Amino acid sequence: DIQMTQSPSTLSASVGDRVTITCRASQTISSWLAWYQQKPGKAPKFLIYKASSLESGVPSRFSGSGSGTEFTLTISSLQPDDFATYYCQQYNTYPLTFGGGTKVEIK
Amino acid sequence: EVQLVESGGGLVQPGGSLRLSCAASGFTLSSYWMSWVRQAPGKGLEWVANIKPDGSEKYYVDSVKGRFTISRDNAKNSLYLQMNSLRAEDTAVHYCARHKPIAGATGSLGFWGQGTLVTVSS
Repeated sequence: DIQMTQSPSTLSASVGDRVTITCRASQTISSWLAWYQQKPGKAPKFLIYKASSLESGVPSRFSGSGSGTEFTLTISSLQPDDFATYYCQQYNTYPLTFGGGTKVEIK
Repeated sequence: EVQLVESGGGLVQPGGSLRLSCAASGFTLSSYWMSWVRQAPGKGLEWVANIKPDGSEKYYVDSVKGRFTISRDNAKNSLYLQMNSLRAEDTAVHYCARHKPIAGATGSLGFWGQGTLVTVSS
């Protein structure tokens, strides 16, 4: 199975900060990577697919990059609504696997 | 409005069975791959299984193979997960999710239901 490792596991930041989350795959997955946002008690929300393609309706402050084994999710200017947990997911190979999550907290 | 509504969760004893349902509305279920994803309390997301639009292909995570069966009834706009031989470690919120249908994104999960909680305990 492909292991997805996110870092950091927790991130403390302030409104307006630029935030970067890293996701590493245990083997190459080309650009077959998605990102999700989840708030407590809610279902995950789809943000990005194919490593860097923004889902319709997602604010442009979110962006994704990377290919192969290393990927990043960047929030250019953190907003109050962005405090949540973020997950990456590879869809290169079955089983589909998720990273362990990165919780973005208020500093 | 696109909606996915899960049902069928609850408390079950170890070794027992449960059947989850996911009712789809606002779109044509028969056009989409569908998945089940679970989340144990306080933990991360784990993909469980998925199924091709016509039901001809199914994939599972190893930990549920031989115990869980994913199925669908496109005429009823419904997705199912039959869970047998349940274990304590199956305790989780179970979400159904619709795959994004465009090229380059088909393995990503573009829309999720609100989830149903399965608790396996004696």
